[in-house]
Amino acid sequence: DAGITQSPRHKVTETGTPVTLRCHQTENHRYMYWYRQDPGHGLRLIHYSYGVKDTDKGEVSDGYSVSRSKTEDFLLTLESATSSQTSVYFCAIGLREANVLTFGAGSRLTVL
Amino acid sequence: DQQVKQNSPSLSVQEGRISILNCDYTNSMFDYFLWYKKYPAEGPTFLISISSIKDKNEDGRFTVFLNKSAKHLSLHIVPSQPGDSAVYFCAALRSGSARQLTFGSGTQLTVLP
Repeated sequence: DAGITQSPRHKVTETGTPVTLRCHQTENHRYMYWYRQDPGHGLRLIHYSYGVKDTDKGEVSDGYSVSRSKTEDFLLTLESATSSQTSVYFCAIGLREANVLTFGAGSRLTVL
Repeated sequence: DQQVKQNSPSLSVQEGRISILNCDYTNSMFDYFLWYKKYPAEGPTFLISISSIKDKNEDGRFTVFLNKSAKHLSLHIVPSQPGDSAVYFCAALRSGSARQLTFGSGTQLTVLP
């Protein structure tokens, strides 16, 4: 999987609790992304990073925050999880080939 | 307002026949297009791409066609194989946008043996 590890792979939590998903890469790529996948919506960009401590919002960033203190790690945090955040979350990195992203295996989050 | 649309949620094709998956976009600033394939419980994997300066790109059994005037692209798979059964996502981006891909909603392809 091109050196991308997502953790946890599965998580069930309750409404109102904080959740952090981790994406770890071994490729030393500058660009990292968080997407969510929902039926009927495909994949939608939540946040992305273009370097250590450099992040920006995507299409569906409300309710999410991110941090990137090291090149290899990109964290996605739900400060107070809601049922609408039940989804499959994918991390991606930008490969050397222009414009191609490589995705991790995904993290399935269920908020009860 | 979806900028990339895949209007067919599903498609069934007989093994050995051609599969044609379609994608439409509305943003004329998009200049690079990609197709991803996704199996259950896995992440999407890159399949093939095309730049807006071309109208066709071929890689083995997979060919992508781009019609800029119609803002339409299609993925042709010939011949289709049962292992091609997966969800196919069309994606688009605009140069200089930090590779922010905009995805369609996907088409589930089923290749029947």
